[in-house]
Amino acid sequence: RKEVEQDPGPFNVPEGATVAFNCTYSNSASQSFFWYRQDCRKEPKLLMSVYSSGNEDGRFTAQLNRASQYISLLIRDSKLSDSATYLCVVNFAGGTSYGKLTFGQGTILTVHP
Amino acid sequence: DADVTQTPRNRITKTGKRIMLECSQTKGHDRMYWYRQDPGLGLRLIYYSFDVKDINKGEISDGYSVSRQAQAKFSLSLESAIPNQTALYFCATSDPLWTSGTVQETQYFGPGTRLLVL
Repeated sequence: RKEVEQDPGPFNVPEGATVAFNCTYSNSASQSFFWYRQDCRKEPKLLMSVYSSGNEDGRFTAQLNRASQYISLLIRDSKLSDSATYLCVVNFAGGTSYGKLTFGQGTILTVHP
Repeated sequence: DADVTQTPRNRITKTGKRIMLECSQTKGHDRMYWYRQDPGLGLRLIYYSFDVKDINKGEISDGYSVSRQAQAKFSLSLESAIPNQTALYFCATSDPLWTSGTVQETQYFGPGTRLLVL
């Protein structure tokens, strides 16, 4: 089983749609969680951290369910500029693991007019 | 200017050749990383360094070596390149932030190096 698993998609949605991505992780000792965004042929960039209580940043909402080892990202009112690959990222804490991020394979989102 | 730079941006080489990829950062971070990205496999960690005197293997270090010449520089070498090392290579830096007993650590990536081994 992969340490971090995502549905690779692709997700094709019209502008204005709401879309949700899911991610599961295998290590229950995981401590920090993130969503990164990667545009085609570009480097990944942090979209948002994911906190236990859930958090929102504009049209983006991230949720964490530690019991189910599950992370989600919800995008409301999709824009054409949201088209990208979304990477679920987990930090398995403990010992020398701090700073070592494990990436999911990414979920491809295409928003069309 | 970009905070994390990588050279070269693109490289074509032949099997058996030695090649070095270089990474420089102006963010003042102690931690640096090398990843490779392959379609369908996501980003995989090759090597990482938490300070100038610290070098650690990642999950796929075989066939690679690194050198941390200074806080700002971290180089990746392929001693004898092979075709399955064809990939997109990213360097990254980070600086941990400890809050409320947990660590929040954003990694900042360079623009990547596209490597083709023939």
